[in-house]
Amino acid sequence: DGGITQSPKYLFRKEGQNVTLSCEQNLNHDAMYWYRQDPGQGLRLIYYSQIVNDFQKGDIAEGYSVSREKKESFPLTVTSAQKNPTAFYLCASSKTRATNSPLHFGNGTRLTVT
Amino acid sequence: GEDVEQSLFLSVREGDSSVINCTYTDSSSTYLYWYKQEPGAGLQLLTYIFSNMDMKQDQRLTVLLNKKDKHLSLRIADTQTGDSAIYFCALWGGGYQKVTFGTGTKLQVIP
Repeated sequence: DGGITQSPKYLFRKEGQNVTLSCEQNLNHDAMYWYRQDPGQGLRLIYYSQIVNDFQKGDIAEGYSVSREKKESFPLTVTSAQKNPTAFYLCASSKTRATNSPLHFGNGTRLTVT
Repeated sequence: GEDVEQSLFLSVREGDSSVINCTYTDSSSTYLYWYKQEPGAGLQLLTYIFSNMDMKQDQRLTVLLNKKDKHLSLRIADTQTGDSAIYFCALWGGGYQKVTFGTGTKLQVIP
């Protein structure tokens, strides 16, 4: 079955450490996205990529970095510069970035930084 | 940017209908989506409506769009305990060329 796999489901890190969240899709989708979810705030876009080797900042990119070396993979690194990294992170993909191409989501990674 | 508002919480009895509302500011949004999120999981696409439609029905789900009032609603008929989740509306396109999500409505179904 096609889908989006995020790993790990839970991640714990000490303050000051960088951490990388994995996102892999086998839907053959061109576009991939990272969102951050905080209680009562909906989803906020961190980064998105429309094609391999290209990505753009979303609304809250500061303290995060991404790469898109393969179509299937879009890892997110939460750096020590991110002031409040504890959150639920969701990866999504869409066939294209056109308006009629709905987002498909992974099951998320819950990151806790202490 | 686009503002998309939802009430935070809705409680209904099993078997009743649920109506989840969403208001938005950008009238040029082209596709409007409803997603469901169960605890600890990602978002699952439920249904969507194109901006030139007023209504769309899909089994127990009915989506109504009032473009004049910039109001979108999702009606769930015969609500079941398995419908308990957070529901997000999301708008694509318009002047911002991206998906904007509402704040989510937590639906609690009382047996």
